[in-house]
Amino acid sequence: EDKVVQSPLSLVVHEGDTVTLNCSYEVTNFRSLLWYKQEKKAPTFLFMLTSSGIEKKSGRLSSILDKKELFSILNITATQTGDSAIYLCAVEKPGSSNTGKLIFGQGTTLQVKP
Amino acid sequence: EAQVTQNPRYLITVTGKKLTVTCSQNMNHEYMSWYRQDPGLGLRQIYYSMNVEVTDKGDVPEGYKVSRKEKRNFPLILESPSPNQTSLYFCASRVTANNEQFFGPGTRLTVL
Repeated sequence: EDKVVQSPLSLVVHEGDTVTLNCSYEVTNFRSLLWYKQEKKAPTFLFMLTSSGIEKKSGRLSSILDKKELFSILNITATQTGDSAIYLCAVEKPGSSNTGKLIFGQGTTLQVKP
Repeated sequence: EAQVTQNPRYLITVTGKKLTVTCSQNMNHEYMSWYRQDPGLGLRQIYYSMNVEVTDKGDVPEGYKVSRKEKRNFPLILESPSPNQTSLYFCASRVTANNEQFFGPGTRLTVL
């Protein structure tokens, strides 16, 4: 059975800390891995990763994929209170119509204290 | 403004009373999808559609129906809602070749 597991499930840090969020997966016919940020509303797209070892970066956020060990990490440096959110990892695989089917992990709830 | 809209945003109903949650996108996206989000379970895909008249089951399709008669609309139908369908529902759309998925604002459904 396909599954995506995120850890930790929740995390509390102070402003300025660096955090690493983990996402491991067991999915047949892997196509890509995606990270989303969800505040008190709908998830917003952060990164899509398809190749091992290539870091994607956006400001203080970065992410990398290891397709051999089947995991990805999301790093946030110099955290701010605005980084408080649920971070979702999803793996895409081909559906029966050859269009991506997304399997989400449970999410990691990050709280950044002032 | 490019967006995905859902209606209603909040709904309280009773077991067995048919309901429809509408979803519409104005970005000419081919791919649309419905998810439910429950505590501890994350987002789970209910149904998805890669184009007009093409739909497919996600991971938790039981108790739901969808239709895709027009490219912009993808309604979610609960023929006979039950309490275990109480959840937060998201509609999403994206261009097939691009994985940036745009989510609607969510519909919080309570079935009594």
